[in-house]
Amino acid sequence: QQQVKQSPQSLIVQKGGISIINCAYENTAFDYFPWYQQFPGKGPALLIAIRPDVSEKKEGRFTISFNKSAKQFSLHIMDSQPGDSATYFCAARKKTSGSRLTFGEGTQLTVNP
Amino acid sequence: DVKVTQSSRYLVKRTGEKVFLECVQDMDHENMFWYRQDPGLGLRLIYFSYDVKMKEKGDIPEGYSVSREKKERFSLILESASTNQTSMYLCASATTGTNEKLFFGSGTQLSVL
Repeated sequence: QQQVKQSPQSLIVQKGGISIINCAYENTAFDYFPWYQQFPGKGPALLIAIRPDVSEKKEGRFTISFNKSAKQFSLHIMDSQPGDSATYFCAARKKTSGSRLTFGEGTQLTVNP
Repeated sequence: DVKVTQSSRYLVKRTGEKVFLECVQDMDHENMFWYRQDPGLGLRLIYFSYDVKMKEKGDIPEGYSVSREKKERFSLILESASTNQTSMYLCASATTGTNEKLFFGSGTQLSVL
């Protein structure tokens, strides 16, 4: 049973476009929501993260939007570049679970030149 | 730079074999994890350890065991490999704190024939 639901499973965007990946969760005990980026042949790496006390966090071209009442959060990649082509995972962590993360299903993003 | 090293990039084993997947981290992290990555299912936690000789079951521990005799090393053991354990296995480590960041190895692609 997936506690964090992610969509879409795959996404194709043109260079310069906006990529949007969505995640939804049920457990209100989650208090930390990171996004991980994985390139082929590599392990996932932390990209950006947010806590539920803010509605948005921006780092360069990457923005997380967080809607606590809807229990949804999304990753926006502005001005998408071919180098952004990767698999993206959203995740969530319960305050009481230490470093243990629950991941979404993953989104394979392809940015065409 | 932080490093999590998994002993094998690719591994092919036969059904019924005992399989050892090794992971070493050089960051003196307390927490270590084994995840399994399957397309469409994301990353699923098999086992984790928050200290030497300590272990806890994750979401899919059946058919697996782990060993942590030294802080830097965390081993995943498949007691009797089965074809449904064919997967990408990812090891990760993390320090303990409010913004724990997981550092992943590059993964071991295991094929059980």
